[in-house]
Amino acid sequence: GAGVSQSPSNKVTEKGKDVELRCDPISGHTALYWYRQSLGQGLEFLIYFQGNSAPDKSGLPSDRFSAERTGGSVSTLTIQRTQQEDSAVYLCASSPQGQGFGQFFGPGTRLTVL
Amino acid sequence: GDSVTQMEGPVTLSEEAFLTINCTYTATGYPSLFWYVQYPGEGLQLLLKATKADDKGSNKGFEATYRKETTSFHLEKGSVQVSDSAVYFCALSDGDYKLSFGAGTTVTVRA
Repeated sequence: GAGVSQSPSNKVTEKGKDVELRCDPISGHTALYWYRQSLGQGLEFLIYFQGNSAPDKSGLPSDRFSAERTGGSVSTLTIQRTQQEDSAVYLCASSPQGQGFGQFFGPGTRLTVL
Repeated sequence: GDSVTQMEGPVTLSEEAFLTINCTYTATGYPSLFWYVQYPGEGLQLLLKATKADDKGSNKGFEATYRKETTSFHLEKGSVQVSDSAVYFCALSDGDYKLSFGAGTTVTVRA
């Protein structure tokens, strides 16, 4: 069956530009998560959606980062005025309702800020 | 807060050797525990999980037992193959959402 998909797979941008990263979760999964994977910081939680609402945004590193989810499905992570320290792999995951199922990850978007 | 500490790598083994990756955790509640694997050039995949004390998760010859008394979830495989070369992440979920990950352990298996 279809897994979590993310686009683009790679994004190179110039410092100061805005970028949008997209995530399509597994159909029927109510929970959606964004994480960031970088060499220095490992895997960091960014934000969690349950349906279209985001009960936990505690991991967003600054107000340049925002995310939304529409129709209980697709999510977009937006980074405004990108900085070089934003360079990382951005991972999306989805999960059925309930603890213990585990989260299913997409292939990630590799963001490089020049 | 919740945290996961796992054995630092890298770990290099010969084929058919026994693999153990240690993982311990700190959590305020009763977390679910996971091992994820990231093969070269691929995304994170759920390897196995355990949701309560004394549960054993298993998959692809790997096993891990949820030990509440020692707050541990060590990953083991009796006979590794070259195809097991990957980065392994221990993680916990304490509540109905976010995963807290360990730093990852790079395992290389030589033929």
